[in-house]
Amino acid sequence: AQTVTQSQPEMSVQEAETVTLSCTYDTSESDYYLFWYKQPPSRQMILVIRQEAYKQQNATENRFSVNFQKAAKSFSLKISDSQLGDAAMYFCAYGSGNTGKLIFGQGTTLQVKP
Amino acid sequence: DAGVIQSPRHEVTEMGQEVTLRCKPISGHDYLFWYRQTMMRGLELLIYFNNNVPIDDSGMPEDRFSAKMPNASFSTLKIQPSEPRDSAVYFCASSFSQPPPRTFGSGTRLTVV
Repeated sequence: AQTVTQSQPEMSVQEAETVTLSCTYDTSESDYYLFWYKQPPSRQMILVIRQEAYKQQNATENRFSVNFQKAAKSFSLKISDSQLGDAAMYFCAYGSGNTGKLIFGQGTTLQVKP
Repeated sequence: DAGVIQSPRHEVTEMGQEVTLRCKPISGHDYLFWYRQTMMRGLELLIYFNNNVPIDDSGMPEDRFSAKMPNASFSTLKIQPSEPRDSAVYFCASSFSQPPPRTFGSGTRLTVV
């Protein structure tokens, strides 16, 4: 079975600084996808960034980028130039390309200090 | 596109009562998922459908939970009888084919007293 682990329950960052959220996963599948979702207090789940496992190049979306280390099964999220609106809970998620299942880590609460 | 629509947004019910949560996926999406979010257990996948057919219900906690998808535009998650430990936020999500990601609804916050 696949698992996703986020070892940082809480993180904080100063506005305009950079922060990295960690995620590790375990799988025996070769066809999978990895995601970071953001959940603000409104509780809406918002897709931040996605990475296909078959792609070596790390995904980037504006201020958000990932460090995908396939051999180490690591998938961290880097937020550059942090903004107050980035404060939220962030979930790392694994999506199976075989079954369509999407499973989540426990989440990391990010606080952004002005 | 109205997104994934869930109703109600909040539900408060007494222990032992039947609760029905509703979801309308995005038109054209062929996968539908039900998740439960609690502080203790995080986001758990309960069940998912492909083309209205349940594919994996291994996450459904017990027989008190049931889910149906009678057509491509509607799904329900029913709890009967409800218990206080069922209190959680229940999310519905849909997607078009493979691969993920999902588009999530706003969730239903269920409180069982």
